[in-house]
Amino acid sequence: AQSVAQPEDQVNVAEGNPLTVKCTYSVSGNPYLFWYVQYPNRGLQFLLKYITGDNLVKGSYGFEAEFNKSQTSFHLKKPSALVSDSALYFCAVRDINSGYSTLTFGKGTMLLVSP
Amino acid sequence: DAGVIQSPRHEVTEMGQEVTLRCKPISGHNSLFWYRQTMMRGLELLIYFNNNVPIDDSGMPEDRFSAKMPNASFSTLKIQPSEPRDSAVYFCASSLGGQGNQPQHFGDGTRLSIL
Repeated sequence: AQSVAQPEDQVNVAEGNPLTVKCTYSVSGNPYLFWYVQYPNRGLQFLLKYITGDNLVKGSYGFEAEFNKSQTSFHLKKPSALVSDSALYFCAVRDINSGYSTLTFGKGTMLLVSP
Repeated sequence: DAGVIQSPRHEVTEMGQEVTLRCKPISGHNSLFWYRQTMMRGLELLIYFNNNVPIDDSGMPEDRFSAKMPNASFSTLKIQPSEPRDSAVYFCASSLGGQGNQPQHFGDGTRLSIL
């Protein structure tokens, strides 16, 4: 089975400060990992992915994520938060060694960046 | 470059009526997904097509729900008869390839309200 956990329902950070949105996963094999962002009344937008290779992945809008196999984590980070980063963030996983051909999404973390 | 197009954006109808949601995937994408999003249950995968063939429909709630993909550029999700508990935002997404290593591109959803 494949699963993903986002332990925080909400993350609050002040503009200009670094932000981290946490994600841990569970797979029987190796993972494909994704981060998406959702703004109000919009669909999910792809931010970045880890497939293989370098553990530090850089994505859109200055976001990055680090794949940590030993801790089974894929936390989303940004060095300096913007008010416009306020949105709902989803982590997703697919176990490439299983029969699953689809992604499993976390329940989402609301990021609120205050001015 | 056109993204995934869903119609209608909003639908309000009475219980018992038939509802049809439509999706046009990104040209060239051969995987298509229907999701449902609610506050209580988060983002749920309903059905997944690859090359117009339904691969996994285990998420379809019950026989009242059906989905078709008659060609590579069009898919429908039908609810008949509709019930108030079907009220949700329904998303269509498409991706390239069937290996799960490419990001899914989401439409902006159909907000469905069943009275």
